[in-house]
Amino acid sequence: GESVGLHLPTLSVQEGDNSIINCAYSNSASDYFIWYKQESGKGPQFIIDIRSNMDKRQGQRVTVLLNKTVKHLSLQIAATQPGDSAVYFCAEPSGGYQKVTFGTGTKLQVIP
Amino acid sequence: EPEVTQTPSHQVTQMGQEVILRCVPISNHLYFYWYRQILGQKVEFLVSFYNNEISEKSEIFDDQFSVERPDGSNFTLKIRSTKLEDSAMYFCASSEVGTGDQPQHFGDGTRLSIL
Repeated sequence: GESVGLHLPTLSVQEGDNSIINCAYSNSASDYFIWYKQESGKGPQFIIDIRSNMDKRQGQRVTVLLNKTVKHLSLQIAATQPGDSAVYFCAEPSGGYQKVTFGTGTKLQVIP
Repeated sequence: EPEVTQTPSHQVTQMGQEVILRCVPISNHLYFYWYRQILGQKVEFLVSFYNNEISEKSEIFDDQFSVERPDGSNFTLKIRSTKLEDSAMYFCASSEVGTGDQPQHFGDGTRLSIL
């Protein structure tokens, strides 16, 4: 079945360093992935997405890498800032593309 | 930037009472969704809504739940007779097209507390 999971529940990073958050997926037919950021008391906030015809996509300070061979995604945050502290979810559409399935999330803690 | 807005931010209700959670999706979006997140757990899909009808729903979305788009801007989730286990954050989301091509955008949620 489809599932989206994360390797680490918590990641602590020094302010200014780069962060890498990893995600595995199981459905080799998955063709679209989304990263969300959820700050305490708020809803999931869209960060960046990637389609399966791409290996890499860059945004502002964020890069998503997709390795279809091993069914692995990563989100890289450059020069991590205290405002990046949040739970990060990788997610993918499932069913009839009418819902998004979320993983358990990685909590990013930025150490000042 | 346009955003999804939800009201109220916090709702406290006695068990057995009806509750209506309200959402205003992004104005040009055509697909609407409800999710919930029990404290410390994953965000779970409840229901999707398109063209004035439910397009998909999860096992959680039983007969106690209903959704409605009463006018051109609001999207509501009603729980007819609340149970203690309905306590959770409820998130509304919307997307311009089906989620295979565009991400869903989420509101900041309503915290529902059932006493």
